[in-house]
Order: sequence, then structure tokens, then C-alpha cells
Amino acid sequence: EVQLVESGGGLVKPGGSLRLSCAASGFTFSSYSMNWVRQAPGKGLEWVSSISSSSSYIYYADSVKGRFTISRDNAKNSLYLQMNSLRAEDTAVYYCAREGIVVVPAAMDGYYYYYYMDVWGKGTTVTVSS
Amino acid sequence: DIQMTQSPSSLSASVGDRVTITCRASQSISSYLNWYQQKPGKAPKLLIYAASSLQSGVPSRFSGSGSGTDFTLTISSLQPEDFATYYCQQSYSTPPSFGQGTRLEIK
Repeated sequence: EVQLVESGGGLVKPGGSLRLSCAASGFTFSSYSMNWVRQAPGKGLEWVSSISSSSSYIYYADSVKGRFTISRDNAKNSLYLQMNSLRAEDTAVYYCAREGIVVVPAAMDGYYYYYYMDVWGKGTTVTVSS
Repeated sequence: DIQMTQSPSSLSASVGDRVTITCRASQSISSYLNWYQQKPGKAPKLLIYAASSLQSGVPSRFSGSGSGTDFTLTISSLQPEDFATYYCQQSYSTPPSFGQGTRLEIK
């Protein structure tokens, strides 16, 4: 069964740090880009960060750039999010999500690459409060 | 960054109804548009990718259409398990962005 399981959430004071983990199973983890997406209480979905399969490409939302670091260990089938200088507005459920891709030949030449988040974990809750 | 706007923000409907949710992008995103369903306390679930492709295992009553800036998610005949919040998401450029969500409630 394809599965993602997040862990590492908890209560932390403003300015503190936390490291989230996401354990993958049931698929070839090293072949997929991965994402972190968060959801503040009662709010919508917000993309946080993504990392390519070999860690060559890493991206962050402006809201976390310079404070959060995404990484992965393909040997351990694991994704991580190191969160530093935490703020109250970082309070959210954090989901890891696999990035699926479908490649479609273009009419003339070349290809279209369609990306989507097709497998999600159940999430881990981060609360930043004094 | 590309902004995604869904309408309506909430919607009341009855079992058996045909429902349409709209998503508009702030610039053209071709067909790089995905739809997700989220139930309370649960993770999002992928329904539609590339604007109109049905994810494996998703019932055929769900369909997606559109390209450019305007997209729709249609549920042809609402079932009790379809009452949830729906999000669109563009994958045209980084950062990927979500709409604010459409909450579908029982009338």
C-alpha cells in the first residue's frame, strides 16, 4: 500500500525549532519529487516547499524562505522539514504529499508535463504558542 | 505568483443535484489545473489532474473542464459522501497555489 506518515509535530514556543519527518512506503520514493503543504486552523491549503527526487531542485514559499529547510534521505525513504524561528502564523497541520507526473506528447513536438499531488499523509500538527 | 479564485465559497445542495464549482486563475495556466476534495479532519484527495483527467478510483460523476484561466469541477449527481470542501490548484508555475476552497454543504 502506498503510504506517507508524518511525525514530529507538537507545541513549540515562538522562535523555537521543530523537525518534521515523513516516512514513505509502498512506492519507489527516490523516483518522486515531494512536497510539504500546510493548513492553518479553519483555513485553506498552502504549499510550503518542494524537493526533487535527487534533491537537485528545492523551492520554498516566500512565507517560510530562510526559516525552513526541506531535505530527504532516499536510502531511508524519508522526507524532512526543519523549521526554525517559528511564528504563531506557522501553526497548522503539515502534510507531506507525493508529486505525480503525467507526460503527454504535444501536437507539434515536445511534451507537456502535468504535475499533481496524488498521495498525501494524514498530517502532523504544529502549534506555535507561548 | 498566480492567484487562484474559486466561486462560490460555499454551496448548499441536495443529494442527486448537479453541482458546478468554478476556479479562475490570475493568468493563463493552459491545462495545469488540479482539483482536490477534503473532508473534515482528513487529508486532501486528488480528484482531477490536468484540468480534465480523472484520477484512478475517483467516481465518474466527477468531471473537470476548462483551459487558460477558467475551469470548472462538476459533480453530475451528488452523493452523501461528496459533501466536503473542494480546492483547485495550479501546477503551471512555482509556487503552486490553491484556491481558497468551496465548501459543499447539505441543503
